[in-house]
Amino acid sequence: AQSVTQLDSQVPVFEEAPVELRCNYSSSVSVYLFWYVQYPNQGLQLLLKYLSGSTLVKGINGFEAEFNKSQTSFHLRKPSVHISDTAEYFCAVSPEYGNKLVFGAGTILRVKS
Amino acid sequence: NAGVTQTPKFQVLKTGQSMTLQCAQDMNHEYMSWYRQDPGMGLRLIHYSVGAGITDQGEVPNGYNVSRSTTEDFPLRLLSAAPSQTSVYFCASSYGQVGYEQYFGPGTRLTVT
Repeated sequence: AQSVTQLDSQVPVFEEAPVELRCNYSSSVSVYLFWYVQYPNQGLQLLLKYLSGSTLVKGINGFEAEFNKSQTSFHLRKPSVHISDTAEYFCAVSPEYGNKLVFGAGTILRVKS
Repeated sequence: NAGVTQTPKFQVLKTGQSMTLQCAQDMNHEYMSWYRQDPGMGLRLIHYSVGAGITDQGEVPNGYNVSRSTTEDFPLRLLSAAPSQTSVYFCASSYGQVGYEQYFGPGTRLTVT
């Protein structure tokens, strides 16, 4: 079985500052990794995903994430955040040959002016 | 394309009542799933379907039933509502099972008193 740990429940940051949202996973098999974003009172939408290939993955809205197999991590980064990035961010994992997505508990990013 | 639609947006039930949450997608996706979102717990998979006529249980299936008679629709039935089922419910669909982006509906906020 897979599990996901998002190490911070809330991350406050000032506008235009860099941010990193941390995600660690546990799995006995190879996995695919995802970051989803949920804006207030909306459903989730995909930011980026890692399936294979380059370990640095670029997504929408200037976000990127790096897959580190040895540390079983998939941290999300953005060099300069905007007020509009305020949202809840979810890391998720699925086994390479399975069909169930397992989500972390979420990290609320609060961008302050 | 409307994407994934869910009805109703809000619902209040009394303990013991039954109801059906509706989900429909117009993207001809084979894979559909239901999640519940609770604070601090992320999203947990209730049931999923890999095609019309095929459904399976997720992580938290007790108290819920599903059926998939068409590709487009995937209703979730609460048989006898309990306060523990107070949650926000999301339906999602994707082109395939593994490694594909899941498209989420806007959610149904259910309160059981």
